[in-house]
Amino acid sequence: GENVEQHPSTLSVQEGDSAVIKCTYSDSASNYFPWYKQELGKGPQLIIDIRSNVGEKKDQRIAVTLNKTAKHFSLHITETQPEDSAVYFCAAQYSSASKIIFGSGTRLSIRP
Amino acid sequence: GAGVSQTPSNKVTEKGKYVELRCDPISGHTALYWYRQSLGQGPEFLIYFQGTGAADDSGLPNDRFFAVRPEGSVSTLKIQRTERGDSAVYLCASSPGTDQETQYFGPGTRLLVL
Repeated sequence: GENVEQHPSTLSVQEGDSAVIKCTYSDSASNYFPWYKQELGKGPQLIIDIRSNVGEKKDQRIAVTLNKTAKHFSLHITETQPEDSAVYFCAAQYSSASKIIFGSGTRLSIRP
Repeated sequence: GAGVSQTPSNKVTEKGKYVELRCDPISGHTALYWYRQSLGQGPEFLIYFQGTGAADDSGLPNDRFFAVRPEGSVSTLKIQRTERGDSAVYLCASSPGTDQETQYFGPGTRLLVL
């Protein structure tokens, strides 16, 4: 069935360094890929998204890349700050349905 | 404007009891979604409403779970004969209604079944 794999499950980086989270999806019909940030006790918050007709998208310190042939997509955070510490979820949405399939999450910790 | 709101924020119940969880979507959003998030995992889809009707209920785990949206706005997720395995955070999201639109999530209801 539909599946999204996410790695790593935990990531610790020095403040100011970059963080990269990678995901793969199983259904080639997917064409919308949102990324969510979830802080403790809160609901997921959309931070960036990318559609299948685009290979890369950037918003300030955050960028996403998509390789449709390999069914890979990645989140890049540069110049990390303490407030970037949270759990990040990649996700895929399928053209024939409106449900979102989430990855298992990456707990990002920023070391001072 | 106001985001998605969910009540209660926390609910503790006993095994076998009935619970109702409420979601108020963003005003004007015609699509509403329910997800369930177990500890340390990503949200899992339960059901999706377009207006008043359930467009996709394929994620409901069994017939103890039911959801309604009678006027196309507020939705209630109902769980009968609760089991300890139902303990999770129940998330609601809404979107403007066109397929593939961004989904905006509420803070969730934390359900604990003792």
